[in-house]
Order: sequence, then C-alpha cells, then structure tokens
Amino acid sequence: AQKVTQAQTEISVVEKEDVTLDCVYETRDTTYYLFWYKQPPSGELVFLIRRNSFDEQNEISGRYSWNFQKSTSSFNFTITASQVVDSAVYFCALSDLGNNLFFGTGTRLTVIP
Amino acid sequence: NAGVMQNPRHLVRRRGQEARLRCSPMKGHSHVYWYRQLPEEGLKFMVYLQKENIIDESGMPKERFSAEFPKEGPSILRIQQVVRGDSAAYFCASSPRPGFGVGSEASYEQYFGPGTRLTVT
Repeated sequence: AQKVTQAQTEISVVEKEDVTLDCVYETRDTTYYLFWYKQPPSGELVFLIRRNSFDEQNEISGRYSWNFQKSTSSFNFTITASQVVDSAVYFCALSDLGNNLFFGTGTRLTVIP
Repeated sequence: NAGVMQNPRHLVRRRGQEARLRCSPMKGHSHVYWYRQLPEEGLKFMVYLQKENIIDESGMPKERFSAEFPKEGPSILRIQQVVRGDSAAYFCASSPRPGFGVGSEASYEQYFGPGTRLTVT
C-alpha cells in the first residue's frame, strides 16, 4: 500500500532563512510519481512539481529545489531565502499508475518577517 | 482556458440535510476525481469518474455518499443526511487522461479546483 509521511507538522523560520520540508514515502511499485502541492491560507491547491520514479535528478526552480533519493525513499523540498508569501501548508503526494493520489498530512510553514 | 470550477465555495447545512457539491472539469477533460480534506489533515481520495461511469469508488463512504458525472453538465458529489463529521473541504480534480501514464507527460496531470468547504451545524 502507498503511504506518505511528513513528520514535520509545523515549521517556523525567519524571513530569508532556508528551510527544508521532509517527505518519506512507501510503495511496492517500481513505477510511481511524487508530487508537492502548496495550500496557501486561501485554501486552494497549487501544483509545484511532479517527479517520476525513473528520474532521480534533482530539480531547481527559482528559490525552490527538490531532492529525490530512492535509496531512502525521500523527496525533500527546500525553499531558499524564504519569504512571507511562502507561508502555507505544503503537501507531498504519491501515485502509482492508478487513478488517485495519496497525500501526506502536510507541513505548515510560517515565515516570520 | 478556465480551470476546474467548483461551486459553491462555501456550503452550510444543518444535520440531516442534503449537500450537493458541483465540479466542472477543465475543458477537454473527461476524468474527474473527488478528494476530502478533514480539518488539519491531508487530502484523501474518494472517487474517480469518467463521463457516465464510476471507475473507482474505493475511498467513498458506503452510506449517504454518492457521485455522478453525467454526459452533460458538472460532476456532482451528493451527501445525504449530513452529520457534523462530514464538515470538511471537498476538492475536485480533473485530467484529460486516466492514471498518470509513463514518463512526464503533463497531459496526465490532475488539476485541482478551489474546493468547497462544507460546514454542518
């Protein structure tokens, strides 16, 4: 069965600090997809990244970067030079080749000005 | 291209009433997914529908909940005789193809709507 664990329930950082959000997953499938979503205070879900299990190359997009390590079943998300607008709940999710996403319980990030 | 639309955005119902949540997928998308987010929790899959068919309802409670996606019109998630425990955010997602395919094709992506927040009083 698929499972996603986000052990950090809440994190607070001061603006301009770097912060890493952890995500550990479990699956028996060899082909799967990993995602990160952002849920700002307004409540909608904003897609950030999608990664397939065959591509372990780390990705950087502006201040965001992702570290995918199959050996430790982790897909961590780092925000560099955090800003107040980064304050949100961040969800990691997993899918096999099926039809639905399995979400972690989320990490609430608060960036203090 | 308009995104996934959900209405109403907020819905208040008294215990025992019915709640009807609507989801209009993105243009060209014929696959719809419903997820529920209980307070302070992650989203949990409820049901996956294609036009006029329920494909996977493994996450749907056995009683009081039903979903449809008719040939014309939006997908509807219906909750009969609501109870306080039904209070949650209900998200709809749509995609142009089923599953997540192989590779990184964006066409398999699920696009989420803004959600409907149901409060049962």
